[in-house]
Amino acid sequence: TQLLEQSPQFLSIQEGENLTVYCNSSSVFSSLQWYRQEPGEGPVLLVTVVTGGEVKKLKRLTFQFGDARKDSSLHITAAQPGDTGLYLCAGVNNDMRFGAGTRLTVKP
Amino acid sequence: DSGVTQTPKHLITATGQRVTLRCSPRSGDLSVYWYQQSLDQGLQFLIQYYNGEERAKGNILERFSAQQFPDLHSELNLSSLELGDSALYFCASSVLGGANVLTFGAGSRLTVL
Repeated sequence: TQLLEQSPQFLSIQEGENLTVYCNSSSVFSSLQWYRQEPGEGPVLLVTVVTGGEVKKLKRLTFQFGDARKDSSLHITAAQPGDTGLYLCAGVNNDMRFGAGTRLTVKP
Repeated sequence: DSGVTQTPKHLITATGQRVTLRCSPRSGDLSVYWYQQSLDQGLQFLIQYYNGEERAKGNILERFSAQQFPDLHSELNLSSLELGDSALYFCASSVLGGANVLTFGAGSRLTVL
């Protein structure tokens, strides 16, 4: 059983569409991170959210940390083929635990 | 290039064998983390070292062991290999001992036949 549940597991959309992926847990985290992983590479950090209710924007990506610091969402506006990859969330307390990820495919 | 170096990139071996995976952390980073990534289990935390000392332990099997050397490089030893050990093994490093920003290597892909 994953400490962090990510949904959906797979998502395939057309270029230009919007999407939201979710990261949920019953545990409270001191912070939560989102990573993107491309084939043949390790995960790369996108953002860290620390405060409950915090919203961070990174160009077309919007990250939100839940008020109770148990969940998070990632919204992508006008998705592009370059957004294709595995999106992982990681909950941070004394250590860091990852969800299983959402595998996003954006078709041209 | 993330600055974290993992070798070998690919490794194919047989059941019952033993392998060693090597990781050189990013310059200046004192912490090394090992993760196992398989299709059905996602990224599973195995173990963390900070400045040569074990700091945290995750779902690491007794057949697996790791250490961090004085020059801060780390090795993950996998023994009595089973088919289910086939996976990507990632090393990540960070500056501090507490969980913070991790920089990942490109991974070592282990195939057990």
